[in-house]
Amino acid sequence: AQSVTQPDIHITVSEGASLELRCNYSYGATPYLFWYVQSPGQGLQLLLKYFSGDTLVQGIKGFEAEFKRSQSSFNLRKPSVHWSDAAEYFCAVGRNTGGFKTIFGAGTRLFVKA
Amino acid sequence: GAVVSQHPSWVICKSGTSVKIECRSLDFQATTMFWYRQFPKQSLMLMATSNEGSKATYEQGVEKDKFLINHASLTLSTLTVTSAHPEDSSFYICSAKVGGRGDETQYFGPGTRLLVL
Repeated sequence: AQSVTQPDIHITVSEGASLELRCNYSYGATPYLFWYVQSPGQGLQLLLKYFSGDTLVQGIKGFEAEFKRSQSSFNLRKPSVHWSDAAEYFCAVGRNTGGFKTIFGAGTRLFVKA
Repeated sequence: GAVVSQHPSWVICKSGTSVKIECRSLDFQATTMFWYRQFPKQSLMLMATSNEGSKATYEQGVEKDKFLINHASLTLSTLTVTSAHPEDSSFYICSAKVGGRGDETQYFGPGTRLLVL
């Protein structure tokens, strides 16, 4: 069965510092992988996705993620964090066998300190 | 960009009553919509997949008679929580899927907070 693990419940970084949010997945085939951000009062917003091809994926707001099959990981990175990046981040794995379905990780809350 | 709306954004109801939540894709059509439930400080749990013109597919453990889903058109899916009880209090989120195989993208609504007294 598919599963997604985000080891860090919350992370605090200083504004301007680099960020890496960890995500590990379990899936038998090549997965579809997603990162979403959830801000209070707003719907989940897609940051980036990986389906195939280049394993380094560029997303919106300066985020990127790298798919590493050998480590079953899809970590999210940003070189310089802004205070507005404070939010909840969800990694998700999708599959399209027998219908499309997405399984979400537990989320990582990012705090940004001045 | 693609926008999904939900109505109402929050609702308080008495135990035993039914509550209907609407999910609309505003500027695109979606043959498939999803309903999720999110508990405080937890992840989204998929409740059901809603396909336009057919019965919804419920995830294991989700009572289909309690959570009625109707996908009447390509832009509207509704979730009705029947005979709501306090344990049904939660944050309900819908999403609409676009794209074909290998290019699926979900657009999420802002969520509906339900409080059952």
